[in-house]
Amino acid sequence: GQSLEQPSEVTAVEGAIVQINCTYQTSGFYGLSWYQQHDGGAPTFLSYNALDGLEETGRFSSFLSRSDSYGYLLLQELQMKDSASYFCASSNQAGTALIFGKGTTLSVSS
Amino acid sequence: EAGVTQFPSHSVIEKGQTVTLRCDPISGHDNLYWYRRVMGKEIKFLLHFVKESKQDESGMPNNRFLAERTGGTYSTLKVQPAELEDSGVYFCASSQGLAGESYEQYFGPGTRLTVT
Repeated sequence: GQSLEQPSEVTAVEGAIVQINCTYQTSGFYGLSWYQQHDGGAPTFLSYNALDGLEETGRFSSFLSRSDSYGYLLLQELQMKDSASYFCASSNQAGTALIFGKGTTLSVSS
Repeated sequence: EAGVTQFPSHSVIEKGQTVTLRCDPISGHDNLYWYRRVMGKEIKFLLHFVKESKQDESGMPNNRFLAERTGGTYSTLKVQPAELEDSGVYFCASSQGLAGESYEQYFGPGTRLTVT
């Protein structure tokens, strides 16, 4: 089967840097996506890595190592508004839909 | 550009009743997905439409769930009869391309279904 593992909770303070790891076991791997969800609302897309390496988008960066079946989301200069759940996701074997991890709840304090 | 919309936002029904959820995708998005998140668990794929055709319904829990997308525009997900374990948040998403092609999926706000 396909599964993605990530920590359930992470805490940090404003201005800090936090890394949310994701290890995956999937068939027909296409790439790793990250989504953010505030208060149970609509998950919103953050980033996608198809190839090994680091992708940077503002304060957020995402990394992928296909050989290690591992990726992470790096959040820099944390702000209170970054408190949310973060999900790593990969496509299913058919490449048609997303398989999600259970999500990491990030709490940012002042 | 309007985002993905879902109706209703909340629904509370009794076991054995029927509920129909509606999703309006972003205009022009051929791909429409239904997902469900049961409390404390991951967001799970239910099914995928390309236009009006069901491409993949491997995630549908059982035959009490019926999804349609007549005309390739909005979609409905009917649960009949509802059971307690059907409670959760049902998300709809749409995209221009497929997940395997790195296309971003745009999610709606979800319908929170409570079966009592």
